Amino acid sequence: DAGVIQSPRHEVTEMGQEVTLRCKPISGHDYLFWYRQTMMRGLELLIYFNNNVPIDDSGMPEDRFSAKMPNASFSTLKIQPSEPRDSAVYFCASSLSGTGYYGYTFGSGTRLTVV
Amino acid sequence: SQKIEQNSEALNIQEGKTATLTCNYTNYSPAYLQWYRQDPGRGPVFLLLIRENEKEKRKERLKVTFDTTLKQSLFHITASQPADSATYLCALDMGGNNRLAFGKGNQVVVIP
Repeated sequence: DAGVIQSPRHEVTEMGQEVTLRCKPISGHDYLFWYRQTMMRGLELLIYFNNNVPIDDSGMPEDRFSAKMPNASFSTLKIQPSEPRDSAVYFCASSLSGTGYYGYTFGSGTRLTVV
Repeated sequence: SQKIEQNSEALNIQEGKTATLTCNYTNYSPAYLQWYRQDPGRGPVFLLLIRENEKEKRKERLKVTFDTTLKQSLFHITASQPADSATYLCALDMGGNNRLAFGKGNQVVVIP
């Protein structure tokens, strides 16, 4: 398995533009998580899905953020419009259910810079 | 909400020695706790999981302890090697549904 695949690896965009981050989880994993990492706040959970259904989006900072998982092999995180304070590394992770029997597998992340 | 504390100062350690990292948490005790390794420019990599009813877990040169009375986990790397240099994050169960809250991580630098 190639692991969790995220694209793009780097994204530089201007303030106000729409940004779409993509994630392909590991086949067979039924949980998918989107995290954001900054030096100040560390890793923050934004939203997670179970069997393609959004379960908790309370970590999404504003209505400018939205996430979808149209099928078991693909998810997107969209920011519209983007702002400089959205600059961070965004990670997607997947795991098998089991209430703590399994760890997460993270992708390599997307480094987003909004100028 | 749960607060997770890891030392923000890097741990510099001589090759061959044991590195010990601390993870403290407030509020409720999690059902389980996990440790991850993160290298620059990469995503975290899962290392170990320990449950609330387990005192200690080992994997090769790694050892994790979990003390629910002290609300603390210790992470040990024995016979450390320069390749162990990385940032190590602890993560706690957020109360069901397979969600994790992460500490900010503690950097380890192993000096040859």
